[in-house]
Amino acid sequence: DAGVIQSPRHEVTEMGQEVTLRCKPISGHNSLFWYRQTMMRGLELLIYFNNNVPIDDSGMPEDRFSAKMPNASFSTLKIQPSEPRDSAVYFCASSPRTGVTDTQYFGPGTRLTVL
Amino acid sequence: SQQGEEDPQALSIQEGENATMNCSYKTSINNLQWYRQNSGRGLVHLILIRSNEREKHSGRLRVTLDTSKKSSSLLITASRAADTASYFCATALRGSTLGRLYFGRGTQLTVWP
Repeated sequence: DAGVIQSPRHEVTEMGQEVTLRCKPISGHNSLFWYRQTMMRGLELLIYFNNNVPIDDSGMPEDRFSAKMPNASFSTLKIQPSEPRDSAVYFCASSPRTGVTDTQYFGPGTRLTVL
Repeated sequence: SQQGEEDPQALSIQEGENATMNCSYKTSINNLQWYRQNSGRGLVHLILIRSNEREKHSGRLRVTLDTSKKSSSLLITASRAADTASYFCATALRGSTLGRLYFGRGTQLTVWP
């Protein structure tokens, strides 16, 4: 298994531009999580999906952030417009058999820099 | 919040020594997990201990759980330079069926050769 796949691995953009981060979870996993990690705030849960349905988006910082999961094998996190304070590493994680072990499998992350 | 709190925030030891990291949490849990993060990488699951377990081993890792004190410890024995990483505890709330984990801020472990 290839594990959780995220793209791009690095993104540098200018303030005001739209940014789209992509995630392919591990096949068969039915939960997907988007996290943001910074030195100041640590690891923050932004939103998570169960069976492609958003369950809790209370961690999404502002309306500039949106996430979709159109099918079980793909999710996107979009920031529009981007701001310098959005610079962080964004992780996607997936989990199998929710409610049994809850172990999460993380992707390699996307390092976002907004100039 | 339910977020776990690791202690210490940073730990520096020599190769061969044991490393102990602690985690405290606030409410009842289904299980507690430890994850490792190497610099520039995603988190990797290390070990899971259920609320009805008190101790668990995996290779050089030993995890204990004291639900009465709402605390856990991770012991890495005979540490190696390759163990240098950040270590996070994460809790799954009792009764939750949706898989959310609450992560702490992590302990940065440095093992000097």
